[in-house]
Amino acid sequence: TQLLEQSPQFLSIQEGENLTVYCNSSSVFSSLQWYRQEPGEGPVLLVTVVTGGEVKKLKRLTFQFGDARKDSSLHITAAQPGDTGLYLCAADTGRRALTFGSGTRLQVQP
Amino acid sequence: KAGVTQTPRYLIKTRGQQVTLSCSPISGHRSVSWYQQTPGQGLQFLFEYFSETQRNKGNFPGRFSGRQFSNSRSEMNVSTLELGDSALYLCASSPAPGTGVEQYFGPGTRLTVT
Repeated sequence: TQLLEQSPQFLSIQEGENLTVYCNSSSVFSSLQWYRQEPGEGPVLLVTVVTGGEVKKLKRLTFQFGDARKDSSLHITAAQPGDTGLYLCAADTGRRALTFGSGTRLQVQP
Repeated sequence: KAGVTQTPRYLIKTRGQQVTLSCSPISGHRSVSWYQQTPGQGLQFLFEYFSETQRNKGNFPGRFSGRQFSNSRSEMNVSTLELGDSALYLCASSPAPGTGVEQYFGPGTRLTVT
């Protein structure tokens, strides 16, 4: 059983469309991280959210941490082909190590 | 500043063999973590080393082991390889241990067991 459930698993959209991916859990986290992984590379940290209800923006990417600190979302506005990749959320689930979600694989068609 | 380097990038081994993978962290980083990434299980934590000591270990069999040297470089070893060990093995370094510190990942070593 995945402690961090990500949805959707796959997403194929056209350039210019908006999208939202979700990371959900029944556990409460002190913080949650979002990564993007491109083919042949390791994950790269995009953002860390710490406070319940927190919203962080990174250019066209908007990250939100749920009020109860159990879930998070990533919204991309006007997606571009360069946004293509595997998006992973990760959190410390109490094991002093990061637990990663199963990921959302995003394909943005030009 | 050079990033995390992992060698080799690709490896093909036969069942029953053993393999050693290497990770050189970013200069000045003393914490190294290892992860296994497979299509079925996703990214799973293997172990974390800090100052040459294993600080934490994930839920993997004893065939998986690692060590860290005084220069912070780390190696992981898998003995008696099984087909299910085929995966991308990722190393991540950080200035200090713990999950609250940003980790920088290397490109990984793609291991195929036949």
